[in-house]
Parts: sequence; structure tokens; C-alpha cells
Amino acid sequence: AQRVTQPEKLLSVFKGAPVELKCNYSYSGSPELFWYVQYSRQRLQLLLRHISRESIKGFTADLNKGETSFHLKKPFAQEEDSAMYYCALSLMDTGRRALTFGSGTRLQVQP
Amino acid sequence: DTEVTQTPKHLVMGMTNKKSLKCEQHMGHRAMYWYKQKAKKPPELMFVYSYEKLSINESVPSRFSPECPNSSLLNLHLHALQPEDSALYLCASSQASTVRNYGYTFGSGTRLTVV
Repeated sequence: AQRVTQPEKLLSVFKGAPVELKCNYSYSGSPELFWYVQYSRQRLQLLLRHISRESIKGFTADLNKGETSFHLKKPFAQEEDSAMYYCALSLMDTGRRALTFGSGTRLQVQP
Repeated sequence: DTEVTQTPKHLVMGMTNKKSLKCEQHMGHRAMYWYKQKAKKPPELMFVYSYEKLSINESVPSRFSPECPNSSLLNLHLHALQPEDSALYLCASSQASTVRNYGYTFGSGTRLTVV
């Protein structure tokens, strides 16, 4: 079965420091990868998708098929980035198109 | 309209009650999902509907019964639940599962407490 691993439960950084939230997946086919963010008391929101190669709120993520990783990065963290971040995987080349979520990483940005 | 709307926002029910959770979207999405999220845990998939037909059931107990009356509505009927079923129930929608996945839109959830 496909699996998404986020090794850090909590990542605490100071404002202005670089951030990297790690995500590794196990699937040998064609994955679709996403980052979702959940701010306190708000709904789960799509942040990034690998097919778009976009930068949202200063965050970027590159799919590395060799390392089966999709790490989320931001060069300078802001306090408003504090939230729960989930990496999620969908399998494009199977009948199973539903998202499977990693366990999540809570990002705390301290002033 | 770019939202998924879930009602009610909060629900307290006894173990012998029957209740329903409702989800609605008007984005033309043809895939809809139910997820269950326990505190400090990631969402776990329960059901997937594609073109109003159930396509994935993640071995969910029969006390949870999904229904998709039309392309905009998704219901989750609850009967004889257990206290461990208390959780945040999330609905999501996306473009049809036959095309590339551009991501899901999630509702704000129904917080269910079973007493």
C-alpha cells in the first residue's frame, strides 16, 4: 500500500529562519503529491501541488522521484506560517485516486 | 461558489440515535469524499463517490451509511454509533477522479460527539 511519511511531529523555528518540512512517500508508480495546511480553527486548505510547480505564500516543494520525497521549503519563516502541515499522496495510475495523508508536522514560528 | 458546506457544524448524539451529516458543493465537482479526523491525527479516508456512485469504501462499519443523491450533495447517515466514533467528519470534493487531481476542496467539518 502507498505510504506517506512525515518524520517530524513538531518543527520550531524563529521568524526569518529557513523552513523545511520533510515528506517521503513509498510508491513506485506515478504519484500526485500535495501539501495541505490547517491553521488553528480553520479548514484544511490546499497549499501546493507538485504538478503546478508553483510558489504559494513563499512556499515551494519539488518532487524528487529518485529520493521519493516532496519536501516543503520556505526561505524566511513568518509567524503567520504557524500551522499544521500535511503531505498527501494520490495515485494517478490506479483506480485509487483518493488522497492519503501523512501524519502531519506542526510548524511553530517564534518571534 | 468555491466552497464545500457541511451541516451541522456540531452534533451530539446518543448511541441509539439516528442522525445525518450533510455536505454540499456547487463547483461542478464529480468526486466527493468523507474523511474522519481524530484529534491531533491526519484525516482518514472513509468513502469516495465518483459520478454519484460509491467507488471506495475503506472497510467502514455499517453504522456509517453514505449517500450521494445528486452531483452536489453527499450525506452520511449515522446509526448506533459508539463513543469512539466521536471525531471531526470532513467532506471534500474534487474534479472527477478520471482526470488529473488538482487537489481537493474541504469543508470545515462536523464535530461529532457520541455520548
